[in-house]
Amino acid sequence: DSGVTQTPKHLITATGQRVTLRCSPRSGDLSVYWYQQSLDQGLQFLIQYYNGEERAKGNILERFSAQQFPDLHSELNLSSLELGDSALYFCASSGLAGGVGEKLFFGSGTQLSVL
Amino acid sequence: DQQVKQNSPSLSVQEGRISILNCDYTNSMFDYFLWYKKYPAEGPTFLISISSIKDKNEDGRFTVFLNKSAKHLSLHIVPSQPGDSAVYFCAASAPQRGGSEKLVFGKGTKLTVNP
Repeated sequence: DSGVTQTPKHLITATGQRVTLRCSPRSGDLSVYWYQQSLDQGLQFLIQYYNGEERAKGNILERFSAQQFPDLHSELNLSSLELGDSALYFCASSGLAGGVGEKLFFGSGTQLSVL
Repeated sequence: DQQVKQNSPSLSVQEGRISILNCDYTNSMFDYFLWYKKYPAEGPTFLISISSIKDKNEDGRFTVFLNKSAKHLSLHIVPSQPGDSAVYFCAASAPQRGGSEKLVFGKGTKLTVNP
């Protein structure tokens, strides 16, 4: 158990809808990362928050947004969903701001299916 | 553009033999490399890492080799055990503006160790 909790584990929705994925980091970790894993793709970095502030941005679509709350949990909001958004979404946390060689601790992911 | 490439989607080896997983990268700014292991229905977990100033790092049965001139790294598992059967992700870290590091993952190699 990595200590990172993601809910829900599975989500089935329709195109055009909006969903929210939730992540609770390991106790004491200040950074939260969101990754997307599509079929036949590696883990694509979406966004990182550190202590409530956006720290780094990756290939995140404008239809997607995220935030980190004062209690350090994070939510990833996906709107106007398309079939291609179907993927496994991982949250990871780390203790620091994302320095050299910093290890990430991953949750077990949310499997999103857009029908 | 795939900056971290794992060209073998799968690898099958016999228990007790050596497993060699390969990874190539294109970005010369990468300064740290990590391997993560992923079991089904779980998130990736950190396995071993290596700084770009080294060419080898060993941890028990796991050794990572880095060849900077060839932009190539490999993970050796000796001896391989059935419990090593998992998807292995190669990841590379590059410094970003603001001091954080961006982690780029490959697509993964599925290792099967046969008893």
